[in-house]
Amino acid sequence: GENVEQHPSTLSVQEGDSAVIKCTYSDSASNYFPWYKQELGKRPQLIIDIRSNVGEKKDQRIAVTLNKTAKHFSLHITETQPEDSAVYFCADNNNDMRFGAGTRLTVKP
Amino acid sequence: DTAVSQTPKYLVTQMGNDKSIKCEQNLGHDTMYWYKQDSKKFLKIMFSYNNKELIINETVPNRFSPKSPDKAHLNLHINSLELGDSAVYFCASSLGQGGNQPQHFGDGTRLSIL
Repeated sequence: GENVEQHPSTLSVQEGDSAVIKCTYSDSASNYFPWYKQELGKRPQLIIDIRSNVGEKKDQRIAVTLNKTAKHFSLHITETQPEDSAVYFCADNNNDMRFGAGTRLTVKP
Repeated sequence: DTAVSQTPKYLVTQMGNDKSIKCEQNLGHDTMYWYKQDSKKFLKIMFSYNNKELIINETVPNRFSPKSPDKAHLNLHINSLELGDSAVYFCASSLGQGGNQPQHFGDGTRLSIL
């Protein structure tokens, strides 16, 4: 199956700014889209997910939007903090679970 | 009370050797997975098991063989290790199958081939 395309590969923002990471999927049958955060040397951890029956989901400073027509979904982090610095992975459930290539987010204090 | 635990955390060995990595989950999940994360951080699924049945077997060399004695365990055995096998291997588990539920990852096993 096709992988999920994720952009950008690296993202650097100033503390307090917003960060947006975008992913595009290919299989219209995909219906579950999680986002994982992986800090240096640690395991990936789920931070937010969205299912295909909703267009947006928010959890404090983190939100995910889904455009089923265009087959893309995005992670939005507002008021970024240095502890948000990590690699973020999107995924879809095409053929179980396929991950994007990751985005290394750096938040500068 | 780690939910998904894998051992060892680090594994350094010579090329050509055979090694195993163990994984156990205490979440009562139905499906377990093995992922390989290379130096570029790309996460690639290798295998998944549901109720002792192999669901996915990606284009992984047959030197890699998953073994599941029960639904709480999924071990990974690797024969004739090669330099390109150096990576971090993550075990994960989820409720149900088909990738419709969040996955819970172990802390990873860093495999280094000398």
